[in-house]
Order: sequence, then structure tokens, then C-alpha cells
Amino acid sequence: SAVISQKPSRDICQRGTSLTIQCQVDSQVTMMFWYRQQPGQSLTLIATANQGSEATYESGFVIDKFPISRPNLTFSTLTVSNMSPEDSSIYLCSVEVTGIYGYTFGSGTRLTVV
Amino acid sequence: AQKVTQAQTEISVVEKEDVTLDCVYETRDTTYYLFWYKQPPSGELVFLIRRNSFDEQNEISGRYSWNFQKSTSSFNFTITASQVVDSAVYFCALSEGHYQAGTALIFGKGTTLSVSS
Repeated sequence: SAVISQKPSRDICQRGTSLTIQCQVDSQVTMMFWYRQQPGQSLTLIATANQGSEATYESGFVIDKFPISRPNLTFSTLTVSNMSPEDSSIYLCSVEVTGIYGYTFGSGTRLTVV
Repeated sequence: AQKVTQAQTEISVVEKEDVTLDCVYETRDTTYYLFWYKQPPSGELVFLIRRNSFDEQNEISGRYSWNFQKSTSSFNFTITASQVVDSAVYFCALSEGHYQAGTALIFGKGTTLSVSS
């Protein structure tokens, strides 16, 4: 299965600032997915990123707040903009790959906004 | 619309007890995939199993077993002789459509399993 390197693993940020999360995959993949996991909650899909086109956002998530970059088939970034304490969550990227696993996840970025 | 329901929010058992985690799903597709993931306190997601909609055979892997029943839209997960290391949050998830169609996983709310010694 694919291996994803996600950075940073954790960060503490001031409200009103922005944080960019990076995911690097060791193989080319068509789609990358970004999830948010709020404390004690399940994973919620933020958006799907296809190389060469704008990301598709789920209901409740907007591009101005969570801009996504997908410059090539192995890399994507998610920016959390103008952060508030409500944005404190774990953010995970994921890719869909062939093989028995199906989906691989990054190790997550644990974000705390103060 | 697709939906995954894990009605059990928290389960507590004593070591060596058997425990079953329930998962009920909704989908209009005839082709779909079901998954179970484990999330230990460290936070990473650990893949446990993938099952496609055309394969209703139950599966056993060590102390883990899965019961897939399309008639009741359920994909339940049983841990036999539970151990403290099984303590984690377990997520059931669904992916609609054919593989590599660009569909994301939709997760249930998760079941927190606590195994005490």
C-alpha cells in the first residue's frame, strides 16, 4: 500500500492565523482526501482533491476557510485559515490505492488553536 | 444517501470476554465496500478489514471475526477473548461505487472499547 508522510504532526497556533498541512505520498494517486476529526468525534470528509482541478468540498466546508492545493499526483496541502479554537482537531489526509487495504491514511496533524 | 451507524458509543468489558461491535449501513449502490479501522490512543488509523458487497462470506483473522449480512445491511465485528491492547476506538466505514472511482470513505461515529484487566 502507499505510504503517506504528513506534516506537521502537531501544532499550537494563535487564533486568527493560518496553518498549512502537507501530505506527500510515495506513489502517484489520482484522488486525495482530507478529513477532520474533532475531539472525541468521528472523521468527517472536508474535501476531495484531484490533480489539476479545484477540490470538491463537502457541505459545511468552504474553500476560503480550507484552501487545498494539489500541484501533482504525489502531493497536496490543506490550509486552515483564520483559525479559531473551534478548528482544534486532528486533520488527516488519505489516498485510495489498489490492494487489500483500499485506503491509506496519514498519521494526522493534531492542531490546537489558542 | 450513504450512511454508517454505530449505535454503541462505548463498551466496557473485562479481559477474556467476547465483544461484538455493531455496524449498520445505508447505500443505494449495489457495489460498495465496507471497512473496519482501529484508532488506538496514539491516534493513527489501523486498517482491519475490507469487504466488498458481493462477498458475504464471514471472515476470521485470529481473535477477530466479521459477520456481513446484506439482508440486514450489517457488518458486525467480534473480538474473541478480548485483551487490554484491544482498547481503542473502532470505526466502521463505507465506500460506494467501484474501486478507484474517487469516492471517499464515510465513517460511522465510532465505538470506544475499553478492556480492563
